[in-house]
Order: sequence, then C-alpha cells, then structure tokens
Amino acid sequence: AQSVTQLGSHVSVSEGALVLLRCNYSSSVPPYLFWYVQYPNQGLQLLLKYTSAATLVKGINGFEAEFKKSETSFHLTKPSAHMSDAAEYFCAVVSGGYNKLIFGAGTRLAVHP
Amino acid sequence: DVKVTQSSRYLVKRTGEKVFLECVQDMDHENMFWYRQDPGLGLRLIYFSYDVKMKEKGDIPEGYSVSREKKERFSLILESASTNQTSMYLCASSYTTEFYEQYFGPGTRLTVT
Repeated sequence: AQSVTQLGSHVSVSEGALVLLRCNYSSSVPPYLFWYVQYPNQGLQLLLKYTSAATLVKGINGFEAEFKKSETSFHLTKPSAHMSDAAEYFCAVVSGGYNKLIFGAGTRLAVHP
Repeated sequence: DVKVTQSSRYLVKRTGEKVFLECVQDMDHENMFWYRQDPGLGLRLIYFSYDVKMKEKGDIPEGYSVSREKKERFSLILESASTNQTSMYLCASSYTTEFYEQYFGPGTRLTVT
C-alpha cells in the first residue's frame, strides 16, 4: 500500500534562506507524486507533480522537487524564502485507481524577517 | 481556469442535525472527492465518485453518505451530525487520465455544537 511521511510538522526559516520540506513515500509501483500548498483559509493548490518524465521537477513560485528512487524521497526546495511562502505544504502519492491521493500530515512553513 | 466551488465557507450545526455540503465543478471532470482535514492528520478521503450515481468509500466513510446525480455536482451528507465531525471539509475533482492532478475547492469549516 502507498503511504507518505512528511518529516517535520513545523519548519521555520528566515526570509531569503533555503526552504527544504521533506517527503518520503512508500509505494509498490512506480509512484506519481504531488506537492500542494494551502494558504490560510483556502483550498489546496498544486505546486508541482512528478510523473516519471524527469527526476527534477519545477513548479510554481520558484519551488522544485527532486525524485530520488534510491531514497524513496521527493523533497521540496526553494532557494530563497519569501514572506508570502508562509503556508501549509502537503505531499501526496497516487494510490489505486481514479487518481486517488494519499496525503502526508502536512508541514507548516513559517517565514520570519 | 478550473473552478471548484463549495456551498458554504463556514457552517455551524447542532448535534443530530442532517447536514448537506455541496460541491460543484465546471471542468467536466469524471472524478470527485470529499476529504476532511484535521490538524496533524492531513487530508483523509471520505468518499469519491468516478461517474454519475457511482460512489466508492474512502478511508473514513463512517457517519457520512454522498450523492452524485449530475456530473458537476457532488454532495456530502452527514445524516446525524456529531461533535467529532467538526472539521474542515474539502472537495476536489479530477479527470480519470492517469496522474492528472486534483483541483480543490476553498473548503467548508463545519462546527457541530
């Protein structure tokens, strides 16, 4: 069965610092992986997705993620944090048919001046 | 732009009331999903539907039912609301095409008193 683990429920960085949000997956088949972002009082918005075309995936707002099969990881990074990046981030893996998703518990990112 | 709308942003109901949450999408997506979001637990799938009048249980269907009479509309029903159903409810929709992402509505924050 597929599953997702996000390490760190809260991450705090300074503005301009590197953002690294960790996601490890478990999957018995080649995984399709997603990162979503949720701003306060909003629904989830797709940041990027991995569909086996390329291991380094670029998304919106300067985020990217690298798929590492050997480490079963799909960590999200951004070189320089901005105050507007403060949000909750969810990693997800497709599980079963109909594009059902299994979500991680989420990581809340705080950006301080 | 894909649009997924939910009937209410905030809802307060009393224990034992029947509650209807409505979701409408405008992209002719085959699949629709209902999740509940709780702190530290991420998103958990309640029910999903892959076609009109078709539905499948997700991971936490107890206490909920759903209805999909038209392709664009997916309703979540709490037959007799209880305080442990106080949560954020998110609706999403997707094409069936493999690894196609889900699009989310803004969420309904339900409080049961």
